[in-house]
Amino acid sequence: GQQVMQIPQYQHVQEGEDFTTYCNSSTTLSNIQWYKQRPGGHPVFLIQLVKSGEVKKQKRLTFQFGEAKKNSSLHITATQTTDVGTYFCAGWDNYGQNFVFGPGTRLSVLP
Amino acid sequence: DGGITQSPKYLFRKEGQNVTLSCEQNLNHDAMYWYRQDPGQGLRLIYYSQIVNDFQKGDIAEGYSVSREKKESFPLTVTSAQKNPTAFYLCASTMDGTEAFFGQGTRLTVV
Repeated sequence: GQQVMQIPQYQHVQEGEDFTTYCNSSTTLSNIQWYKQRPGGHPVFLIQLVKSGEVKKQKRLTFQFGEAKKNSSLHITATQTTDVGTYFCAGWDNYGQNFVFGPGTRLSVLP
Repeated sequence: DGGITQSPKYLFRKEGQNVTLSCEQNLNHDAMYWYRQDPGQGLRLIYYSQIVNDFQKGDIAEGYSVSREKKESFPLTVTSAQKNPTAFYLCASTMDGTEAFFGQGTRLTVV
């Protein structure tokens, strides 16, 4: 079945450093979504990418969808302590039937 | 306001007891999901339902049961067969190809 992997599993950065998490699917996706879960909270939707090669920005966050629609990345520029949390990618398969979450990347930001 | 509601927020269970976690949504979403999250870990799919009166096992269905008698409701029962039920349980709903909305979660503890 469809599998979605993320690397790294954990990342510790100093405040002000950049951070990137990568998401890879075993199958082609119709879209990719990114979620953020703050410690003690629930995952909250950040963004959805649909087109091959699409790049979207939200302030310091840059999201990219690969040309083959099987991978994606989230890049945070100049991390802040408010960026702490776990970032999940999630994808729908091409039929819109299966929705799968990646295992997440847990980000710690040291002040 | 439209949304997805889980109750209770905290639940304590004695060993050998069955407990039921509630999940209700008024978003008119067809698909609903139950995830289990252990401390510092990702989301593991327990059960999902794409339509009323139908549901499928996820990756860790053993010791759990669900029902989907109404579109709005997808309760999860943690049975006595689940040997290690202490965890954070998250319910989510989606429409095909769109973002997932999560409830606030239920923290279940075995006492």
